[in-house]
Amino acid sequence: QKEVEQDPGPLSVPEGAIVSLNCTYSNSAFQYFMWYRQYSRKGPELLMYTYSSGNKEDGRFTAQVDKSSKYISLFIRDSQPSDSATYLCAMGGSEKLVFGKGMKLTVNP
Amino acid sequence: DTGVSQDPRHKITKRGQNVTFRCDPISEHNRLYWYRQTLGQGPEFLTYFQNEAQLEKSRLLSDRFSAERPKGSFSTLEIQRTEQGDSAMYLCASSLAPGRGGTDTQYFGPGTRLTVL
Repeated sequence: QKEVEQDPGPLSVPEGAIVSLNCTYSNSAFQYFMWYRQYSRKGPELLMYTYSSGNKEDGRFTAQVDKSSKYISLFIRDSQPSDSATYLCAMGGSEKLVFGKGMKLTVNP
Repeated sequence: DTGVSQDPRHKITKRGQNVTFRCDPISEHNRLYWYRQTLGQGPEFLTYFQNEAQLEKSRLLSDRFSAERPKGSFSTLEIQRTEQGDSAMYLCASSLAPGRGGTDTQYFGPGTRLTVL
């Protein structure tokens, strides 16, 4: 079993839709949970960072962590064509990050 | 505030050649990471430095790979005798270690795309 599992998609939604992206993990030592956005042939860009169970909101983005179920989610409200990218979940202790495979999202105008 | 920079952005080489990549981290960051990303996969950890000390190396980092961070600032990643399987995006990230007022949040550079023919 991989340490981090992410549904690779791809996912295609109409503009304005609510998008839900999910990852599960197996390593209880993970303390930090991130979501990165990666445009084609670019480096990952940090979107959200959290270290506790619960929800964290930033504009149209909400990150949710459930440590008891080892499950994290990213919700995107009112999705825009500019949100089209690959979304990577990542998690770690205090050093290296372990990434999911990434979910390719396309938001259609 | 400049972000993480990497050079070159693209490198095409022939099998068997040596290549070297450079990473310049965010200036106040004391940690520097190298990751490798292949098509359709997430980045995979290779190695990291805290200041000039290399603290961890992945088993993915074969003896053909070597990384340095001589003065705790920029870092280089060298691949000797390149193989076609080395073709990938090589990503550098930097962070401020916990205990230095940081949370080890990692910020990535644009990557160096290596193609081995």
